[in-house]
Amino acid sequence: EAGVAQSPRYKIIEKRQSVAFWCNPISGHATLYWYQQILGQGPKLLIQFQNNGVVDDSQLPKDRFSAERLKGVDSTLKIQPAKLEDSAVYLCASSRVGGRGLVNEQFFGPGTRLTVL
Amino acid sequence: KQEVTQIPAALSVPEGENLVLNCSFTDSAIYNLQWFRQDPGKGLTSLLLIQSSQREQTSGRLNASLDKSSGRSTLYIAASQPGDSATYLCAVRTNAGKSTFGDGTTLTVKP
Repeated sequence: EAGVAQSPRYKIIEKRQSVAFWCNPISGHATLYWYQQILGQGPKLLIQFQNNGVVDDSQLPKDRFSAERLKGVDSTLKIQPAKLEDSAVYLCASSRVGGRGLVNEQFFGPGTRLTVL
Repeated sequence: KQEVTQIPAALSVPEGENLVLNCSFTDSAIYNLQWFRQDPGKGLTSLLLIQSSQREQTSGRLNASLDKSSGRSTLYIAASQPGDSATYLCAVRTNAGKSTFGDGTTLTVKP
């Protein structure tokens, strides 16, 4: 079974520029998550999709961050414009279902390390 | 709001020692708890998942326990090896479906 794929692995941009990250979840996984992990901290959930609908985006800075999951498979996360404090690793994860009925172990991709100068 | 704490932040042990990592959470109304391992510059690898109705899960040298009433989970690593050196994170999922992570414990196993 192929894992969660993410690209790019690394990105360096200047503040006020825009950037986009891509994620392809494990085949058949209905739930997709984007996390932000700042150095020395645990991942913080930015947005959670179930199929192509948003389940939770309460911690997404909507003035600069946006995410979409067209057709309920791949997803993109965009930052526009970027700030210095956005420097972090952006992790994508997927699980079979996010509800209460089934075991929903999360599987993570390798992440994208973003540096904002 | 769920808060997850992992203490200590860092731990160094000699090879062969048994050790325990701790995870505590403030809201006991959880759906499950998952332990992960993260190597430097890498993503998270799932180690063990405990459903709220379970008390423990085991995989090889790893054993995770869950005590919902006290808001605690422990990850026991037996006969530690240098290859176990990594950051260990716990994530608590609430009944509403949201996961909250601790900041992790960085483990160093010295040969």
